[in-house]
Amino acid sequence: EAGVAQSPRYKIIEKRQSVAFWCNPISGHATLYWYQQILGQGPKLLIQFQNNGVVDDSQLPKDRFSAERLKGVDSTLKIQPAKLEDSAVYLCASSLTGFSTDTQYFGPGTRLTVL
Amino acid sequence: KQEVTQIPAALSVPEGENLVLNCSFTDSAIYNLQWFRQDPGKGLTSLLLIQSSQREQTSGRLNASLDKSSGRSTLYIAASQPGDSATYLCAPEEGATNKLIFGTGTLLAVQP
Repeated sequence: EAGVAQSPRYKIIEKRQSVAFWCNPISGHATLYWYQQILGQGPKLLIQFQNNGVVDDSQLPKDRFSAERLKGVDSTLKIQPAKLEDSAVYLCASSLTGFSTDTQYFGPGTRLTVL
Repeated sequence: KQEVTQIPAALSVPEGENLVLNCSFTDSAIYNLQWFRQDPGKGLTSLLLIQSSQREQTSGRLNASLDKSSGRSTLYIAASQPGDSATYLCAPEEGATNKLIFGTGTLLAVQP
């Protein structure tokens, strides 16, 4: 079974530039999550999709971050414009149903550096 | 707001030693609690999931316990090996939508 795929693996940009990350979840998984992990901290949920609908985006900075899940499969997370404090690893995860006790499977992450 | 604390932040032990990682959380109204492992440059891997009605779960050399009333969970690793070196994260689950609140993790180094 193929795992969660993410690209790019690394990205370096200057502040005020835009950047986009892509995630391909495990086939058949209804739920997709985007997390932000700042160095030295645990992952923080940014947004959770159930199929192509948003379940939770309470911690997504909507003035600069946006996310979409096309046709309930792949997802893109965009930052526009980027700030220095956005430097972090962005993790994508998927689960079969999104219900309690469901295992979340994580991708390798995209490391973003904002200069 | 749920706050999750993990102690110690870092731990170095010789191979073969038994060890305990601690996790505390402020809001006991959780559904479940999971323990994850994170290797450098890689994503997270789920190790154990303890349902709210359970008190512990075991998988191989790993044993996790949960005391919801006191807001505590422990991960016990028996006979540690160098391959156990990683960051260990605990994550209580809020609500019924699989929302995880992660702690800051414990960085474990097992010396051969």
